[in-house]
Amino acid sequence: TQLLEQSPQFLSIQEGENLTVYCNSSSVFSSLQWYRQEPGEGPVLLVTVVTGGEVKKLKRLTFQFGDARKDSSLHITAAQPGDTGLYLCAGNFGNEKLTFGTGTRLTIIP
Amino acid sequence: GAVVSQHPSRVICKSGTSVKIECRSLDFQATTMFWYRQFPKQSLMLMATSNEGSKATYEQGVEKDKFLINHASLTLSTLTVTSAHPEDSSFYICSARTSGKYTQYFGPGTRLTVL
Repeated sequence: TQLLEQSPQFLSIQEGENLTVYCNSSSVFSSLQWYRQEPGEGPVLLVTVVTGGEVKKLKRLTFQFGDARKDSSLHITAAQPGDTGLYLCAGNFGNEKLTFGTGTRLTIIP
Repeated sequence: GAVVSQHPSRVICKSGTSVKIECRSLDFQATTMFWYRQFPKQSLMLMATSNEGSKATYEQGVEKDKFLINHASLTLSTLTVTSAHPEDSSFYICSARTSGKYTQYFGPGTRLTVL
């Protein structure tokens, strides 16, 4: 059984600060996705990473996939209140099903 | 592109009734659709996987006779919660993907409340 641990579980920081969220697995991912979910809405895809060591940027968000494809990180620079939400990593492990991480609930304080 | 819709967005029903939730891929053909359930302040839990024209594959612990899934076309899947009870109250989310692609695109979710 694959487990996806995200850390931290909760994070509350001031606007303008930087932060990093981590996603770790005991198994190798075929691919990994990061989503952001607002209350009462479905998850919205941020990025998909497939290749070990891959780095992708989305404005102030930087996503990194570990060389061994067992971990990933999401770094946000100069956080803004609009970044508030539940961040979920989700991985494929050689099949079509996604296993979701435990989630990181981020609050940016204006 | 890659838009998935769900209908209804929220539904309130009496205990013992059945509720149908629709999931549509609006601008792509979804060879596979997935149904998830999410409890408050928790992550998403996969309920079942459905491939167009085939019977759904249910995750362990999910009653297939209670949660009926139909994926009759490449753009539509339905989840019917039969004889709903208050413990079935939850946020139900569908997702869809195309053949050969890992990425799943999610619908906006359906809030089910059973009185």
